[in-house]
Amino acid sequence: GAGVSQSPSNKVTEKGKDVELRCDPISGHTALYWYRQSLGQGLEFLIYFQGNSAPDKSGLPSDRFSAERTGGSVSTLTIQRTQQEDSAVYLCASSQRTSGGPDTQYFGPGTRLTVL
Amino acid sequence: GQNIDQPTEMTATEGAIVQINCTYQTSGFNGLFWYQQHAGEAPTFLSYNVLDGLEEKGRFSSFLSRSKGYSYLLLKELQMKDSASYLCAVMDSNYQLIWGAGTKLIIKP
Repeated sequence: GAGVSQSPSNKVTEKGKDVELRCDPISGHTALYWYRQSLGQGLEFLIYFQGNSAPDKSGLPSDRFSAERTGGSVSTLTIQRTQQEDSAVYLCASSQRTSGGPDTQYFGPGTRLTVL
Repeated sequence: GQNIDQPTEMTATEGAIVQINCTYQTSGFNGLFWYQQHAGEAPTFLSYNVLDGLEEKGRFSSFLSRSKGYSYLLLKELQMKDSASYLCAVMDSNYQLIWGAGTKLIIKP
């Protein structure tokens, strides 16, 4: 596709349930990022995938959060036993980053998660 | 620790000029990005600076001083559609982006 896509756009769930959020990056982009943004706040880094390398999970807030990226393309962020504090917009971004040099991240529209 | 500081909110008048400042303290520096984010939407890329000086792109310009750990985004001929949050982000020595909390810009007619 032309841009990064995410699904669902909105997700309402009950406390304690598991949720899965999906991200389709721009074709050919080797790097994929997940961020979380609470209302009126900046972006909080969660996890980063680069090619076939082991992901950088340093931003995951707890072991309830996990992510995988299959075939170097689509990624799924899973939150187990959701809590009300998990409510936020979850943003995915991708870039053409090669080893080293900086480049531009392009964002998807986000998934708004509400935990009741 | 790593830190990006930018004002929380600014107000400006349609047709005027506004400067949004960003100061940073990071572990290394590999470039500074400015993104625009309209309410309820994803951030979109505006500019990238890695060398000192001014980068101009239409009505928007971005300035960087690495020695001062300082950047600004300059918006000219403000339009109502420029009402948005402006995010400053610095790429550190590990090539990870460190994000500021964003500056909410309110444009008044």
